[in-house]
Amino acid sequence: ETGVTQSPTHLIKTRGQQVTLRCSSQSGHNTVSWYQQALGQGPQFIFQYYREEENGRGNFPPRFSGLQFPNYSSELNVNALELDDSALYLCASSLDRTTYEQYFGPGTRLTVT
Amino acid sequence: KNQVEQSPQSLIILEGKNCTLQCNYTVSPFSNLRWYKQDTGRGPVSLTIMTFSENTKSNGRYTATLDADTKQSSLHITASQLSDSASYICVVSARDNAGNMLTFGGGTRLMVKP
Repeated sequence: ETGVTQSPTHLIKTRGQQVTLRCSSQSGHNTVSWYQQALGQGPQFIFQYYREEENGRGNFPPRFSGLQFPNYSSELNVNALELDDSALYLCASSLDRTTYEQYFGPGTRLTVT
Repeated sequence: KNQVEQSPQSLIILEGKNCTLQCNYTVSPFSNLRWYKQDTGRGPVSLTIMTFSENTKSNGRYTATLDADTKQSSLHITASQLSDSASYICVVSARDNAGNMLTFGGGTRLMVKP
């Protein structure tokens, strides 16, 4: 186990709805990254948060947004859900933004119908 | 554009056999290369991390190699076990002012059969 937890494990939403996914980082880690992984593909970088500020963003539209809290837990929010948003969403924490090692959570499986 | 290509896409081997997975990358400026194992529906788990100066690293039955000149890496699995069935993902990190930015390969799906 990596010490990174995510909730919920899986959920089903309807197109057009909004969803919030949560991640609890490993103790002492101040950096969290979020990834979207479609079935059978490698993860795609969404964004990274370092000390509560966005520290880099992948090629995702603004309806994907995030927050990192003072205790370094974080949220991924997706508005106006589309069918293509169905995927496994992974968060990964690291000691700081320059650290090699990232520890992944088990993921949240989102299905949009 | 930073890219990581893995081959083969999928592989089936018999228990006890060896196999080698390939990773080619075009990522700059290179910082490090990692191999992850991902069980279905789970998060990736790190197997090895190699920097520019390292050309081989082992973790039990897993041995990774890196050729920074040709921008290639391989992951060799020795004496495969049924529990090795998973996706293996090559991840290359580019260092920029914001920190380490990762580019993921599409993964190789390995199935080990009895």
